[in-house]
Amino acid sequence: SAVISQKPSRDICQRGTSLTIQCQVDSQVTMMFWYRQQPGQSLTLIATANQGSEATYESGFVIDKFPISRPNLTFSTLTVSNMSPEDSSIYLCSVRQGPYGYTFGSGTRLTVV
Amino acid sequence: QKEVEQNSGPLSVPEGAIASLNCTYSDRGSQSFFWYRQYSGKSPELIMSIYSNGDKEDGRFTAQLNKASQYVSLLIRDSQPSDSATYLCASGVQTGANNLFFGTGTRLTVIP
Repeated sequence: SAVISQKPSRDICQRGTSLTIQCQVDSQVTMMFWYRQQPGQSLTLIATANQGSEATYESGFVIDKFPISRPNLTFSTLTVSNMSPEDSSIYLCSVRQGPYGYTFGSGTRLTVV
Repeated sequence: QKEVEQNSGPLSVPEGAIASLNCTYSDRGSQSFFWYRQYSGKSPELIMSIYSNGDKEDGRFTAQLNKASQYVSLLIRDSQPSDSATYLCASGVQTGANNLFFGTGTRLTVIP
């Protein structure tokens, strides 16, 4: 299965600032997915990132708040902009492996103070 | 709205017992189903996938799918303390956005 390197693994940020999270995959993938996992909750899809096109955002998530880049088939970034304490979560990237399997990066634990 | 529901637990079983985890889903278009294990502070790890009605066994794990009842379950035989984790059920569709929809997870504790 694909290996996903995600960084940073954790960060503590001041409110009002932005953080960019990076995911590097060891193989080419068509779609990458960004999820958020708030404390004690399950995973919520933020957006789907396709190479060469704009990301598709789920309801409740907007590009101005979570801009995504997908410059090639192995790399993507998610930026959490103008952060507030409510953005404190674990952020995870994921790729689809073959027809059905999905693999996750190690996650970024974000704390906004 | 695609929903996946799980009993949040916590579920406690003694070591060596069978742990039974259950999940229901609302979208009849769902075609693929997954069980992920998530240790505290770690990312989810895929342990089972199932696409057809019936049982699928892999070592100590058995996934069961009943599409008519929109029900998925995971059985863990001979439970070990290392199985203590949160188990996430997820469903997906074969076409379209191809993303997964997750349940809130069931926290399992295996008592030595």
